[in-house]
Amino acid sequence: DIQMTQSPSSLSASVGDRVTITCRASQTIIRYLNWYQQRPGKAPKLLIYDTSNLQSGVPSRFSGSGSGTDFTLTIFSLQPEDFATYHCQQSYSTPLTFGGGTKVEIK
Amino acid sequence: EVQLLESGGGLVQPGGSLRLSCAASGFTFTSYVMSWVRQSPGKGLEWVSSITGSAGSTYFADSVKGRFTISRDDSKNTLYLQMNSLRAEDTAVYYCAKVRHSAPDPRDGFDIWGQGTMVTVSS
Repeated sequence: DIQMTQSPSSLSASVGDRVTITCRASQTIIRYLNWYQQRPGKAPKLLIYDTSNLQSGVPSRFSGSGSGTDFTLTIFSLQPEDFATYHCQQSYSTPLTFGGGTKVEIK
Repeated sequence: EVQLLESGGGLVQPGGSLRLSCAASGFTFTSYVMSWVRQSPGKGLEWVSSITGSAGSTYFADSVKGRFTISRDDSKNTLYLQMNSLRAEDTAVYYCAKVRHSAPDPRDGFDIWGQGTMVTVSS
């Protein structure tokens, strides 16, 4: 199974900050990496698929990059509605696996 | 509007069974792989199972293989998860989710999620 490791597990930031979350796969997943946002008590929402493609309706302040085993989600100019937990997920092979999540909190 | 609506969750004793349902609307259900993903309280997301359109192929996480069965009724636009021999560690919110691509391959991201249904396994 491919293990997905996210870091940090939590961070504190202010509105307007740039935030970077990383996700590392235990083996290459080429570019089959997806990012989700989950607000408390809600279902996850797809933000970015295949490393860098923005899902329809997602603001352009979200950006993804990487390849192989190392990937990054960047939020440029954090907004109040962005305080949530972010999950990465590999879709290279089954079993599909998720990272442990990164909680973005208000500083 | 594209929508998924789960039902069937509840409290069940260890060793018991439960069947979850997920009613889909707003898209061509039969064209998409459908999946179940769960989230234990305060924990991360865990993929549970996937099924291709027309129930051609099924896939399971090792943690549920042999205990859970996934099925679908394309005439009713409904996905099911039959859960047997339930354990305390199966306690979670169970989400049904639709994959992005209309291809018979479970390896994809999930672009539509239901609201989730809570399953609690406890005596």
